[in-house]
Amino acid sequence: GESVGLHLPTLSVQEGDNSIINCAYSNSASDYFIWYKQESGKGPQFIIDIRSNMDKRQGQRVTVLLNKTVKHLSLQIAATQPGDSAVYFCAETSNTGNQFYFGTGTSLTVIP
Amino acid sequence: NAGVTQTPKFRILKIGQSMTLQCTQDMNHNYMYWYRQDPGMGLKLIYYSVGAGITDKGEVPNGYNVSRSTTEDFPLRLELAAPSQTSVYFCASSPRKETQYFGPGTRLLVL
Repeated sequence: GESVGLHLPTLSVQEGDNSIINCAYSNSASDYFIWYKQESGKGPQFIIDIRSNMDKRQGQRVTVLLNKTVKHLSLQIAATQPGDSAVYFCAETSNTGNQFYFGTGTSLTVIP
Repeated sequence: NAGVTQTPKFRILKIGQSMTLQCTQDMNHNYMYWYRQDPGMGLKLIYYSVGAGITDKGEVPNGYNVSRSTTEDFPLRLELAAPSQTSVYFCASSPRKETQYFGPGTRLLVL
C-alpha cells in the first residue's frame, strides 16, 4: 500500500519565525494532497490542499510546495503563532481517489 | 450546520462486547469515512462510503462493519471487541473526493 511519512516527528519554533513541515510520499500516481492540523483532543482540520499539476499553492500564512520528482511535500507556516501549536498531517489520495493515506504527523510547538 | 457529529465521546468495553459508533452529518455530503487513530500515529481508514447503499473497505477493516442506509448516517459496528481496537475513532464526510470534514472523535477503550 501507499506510504506517507514525515521526516521529523517534532518541531519547535519561536513565535514569529517561519515553520517548515516536511512529508514524503511513495505513490507517484497520487494526484491530490492535503495538509491537516489536529489540535489536542480534536479531529483533523483542513489547512490547504494541492493537486499534482501544481508545484506551489498559497493560503493565508500557509504555503504548500510539491516536488513530484522526489515525491516530497512541505507545509510552510509564516510568522508562526502559539495557536499554530498542533500535530500536522499530510495525506495523499489513492489511485482511485476514494481513499486517503495519512502520514504519522509532526508535532509543532511554538515557543512564546 | 452542526457538521459531523459522533456519539459517544468515550466508551469502555469489555473484551467480546459489541457496540455501534454513531456518525451523522448534515451537509448532504455523499462521501463518508471511518478512521482510527492510535496514539502518536496517523489515521488509518477503516471503511468508506461514496453514497447511500454503497460501502467499501479501507486499510484496516477487520473486526468492523458499516452500513449506509441514508446520506446522513454512517454507523460503525464493532463485533467481539478486542484490546487491539482501543483507539480514537474519527468519522469524516466530504462533498467529493477532496476535503474531508472530521467529527470530534470517539475514544474507545477495550479492557
